[in-house]
Amino acid sequence: GEDVEQSLFLSVREGDSSVINCTYTDSSSTYLYWYKQEPGAGLQLLTYIFSNMDMKQDQRLTVLLNKKDKHLSLRIADTQTGDSAIYFCAETPQTGGFKTIFGAGTRLFVKA
Amino acid sequence: EAQVTQNPRYLITVTGKKLTVTCSQNMNHEYMSWYRQDPGLGLRQIYYSMNVEVTDKGDVPEGYKVSRKEKRNFPLILESPSPNQTSLYFCASGTGGFGQPQHFGDGTRLSIL
Repeated sequence: GEDVEQSLFLSVREGDSSVINCTYTDSSSTYLYWYKQEPGAGLQLLTYIFSNMDMKQDQRLTVLLNKKDKHLSLRIADTQTGDSAIYFCAETPQTGGFKTIFGAGTRLFVKA
Repeated sequence: EAQVTQNPRYLITVTGKKLTVTCSQNMNHEYMSWYRQDPGLGLRQIYYSMNVEVTDKGDVPEGYKVSRKEKRNFPLILESPSPNQTSLYFCASGTGGFGQPQHFGDGTRLSIL
């Protein structure tokens, strides 16, 4: 079945780069997403990538997709304390209708 | 302001007492969905709807009902809540285009005693 896996925690120093990793199982996935959740709030879309792309860059965010290994990563350059949040990887499998599968989320701690 | 509104934000209730969590969106979105968030498990989809009167099961539909009588509203109904339904619930909406991102409400924290 479909599954999305992420590590649960990441800690970085302010100003460093953060890299959050995700693996997924469904090779038919067409869209892969990164969402951010701040305390007490819902999820906010950060960026997404179509499965025929290898990389997408948006200001401080870089998404890398390795389709062969089914591996997605989110790099945040110059990480700030305001980036502390939970980051969710998600996929929309082509074979799953309009279901969206989320990972468990990676909690990013940014130390000043 | 474009938003997804859930009510209530917090609810403590007892086993077996029927409850409804409302969800409303003002973006004319066709797609709406309910998720529950549990520690270590992330978000799991309960039900989703592609349009009025069209609903489908997600990964964890047992114990829940939904309805979509109007485009803007998608209530989540727990007919006989049980303690294992204690969780943080999110409603989301989207344009319905394949792969299009979703807009989330701020969440409803339910505690079933």
